[in-house]
Amino acid sequence: QKEVEQDPGPLSVPEGAIVSLNCTYSNSAFQYFMWYRQYSRKGPELLMYTYSSGNKEDGRFTAQVDKSSKYISLFIRDSQPSDSATYLCAMTFSGNTGKLIFGQGTTLQVKP
Amino acid sequence: EAQVTQNPRYLITVTGKKLTVTCSQNMNHEYMSWYRQDPGLGLRQIYYSMNVEVTDKGDVPEGYKVSRKEKRNFPLILESPSPNQTSLYFCASSQGGGAYYGYTFGSGTRLTVV
Repeated sequence: QKEVEQDPGPLSVPEGAIVSLNCTYSNSAFQYFMWYRQYSRKGPELLMYTYSSGNKEDGRFTAQVDKSSKYISLFIRDSQPSDSATYLCAMTFSGNTGKLIFGQGTTLQVKP
Repeated sequence: EAQVTQNPRYLITVTGKKLTVTCSQNMNHEYMSWYRQDPGLGLRQIYYSMNVEVTDKGDVPEGYKVSRKEKRNFPLILESPSPNQTSLYFCASSQGGGAYYGYTFGSGTRLTVV
């Protein structure tokens, strides 16, 4: 079993839809949770990070962490064609943040 | 412009021929890391470095070597490449580790070993 599981999709939605992306994990020692976005033929870029449990909002993006369920989510409101990309969740431990574990990534397509 | 620069972008080589992929960052970051990305497996960490002369293994270090003699450079060495090392490789750097600041990634090196 992988430490971090993410449905690879692809996920296709119409423009303006609310998108929900999710990851589950098995290691309860993870403390920091991140979402990266990767456009085709590019390196990943950090979208959001959250420490421990709770929600964090940034514009149209909301990240949620539920440590009791070992489940994290990224919500995208009013999705745009420019949001079409692969979204990767990532996690790391307190005290060793150089080591970063990624999920497989979910490919999202937002159709105009 | 703040960036992580990898070279080459594309490389085709033969089994057993030693190669080095270079990585350089101009942001004075302490942390640097190498990842490989494969379909269905996502990004997997090969090695990371917390500072000059300080490195540690990631999840898939077998068949790879790294060195960090200068803060800005973190080359990845494949001493005897094999076809199962055909992959897309990313170098990344971070100010203080992957948590608060995240990693800044390079544009990738697509390696094919025949």
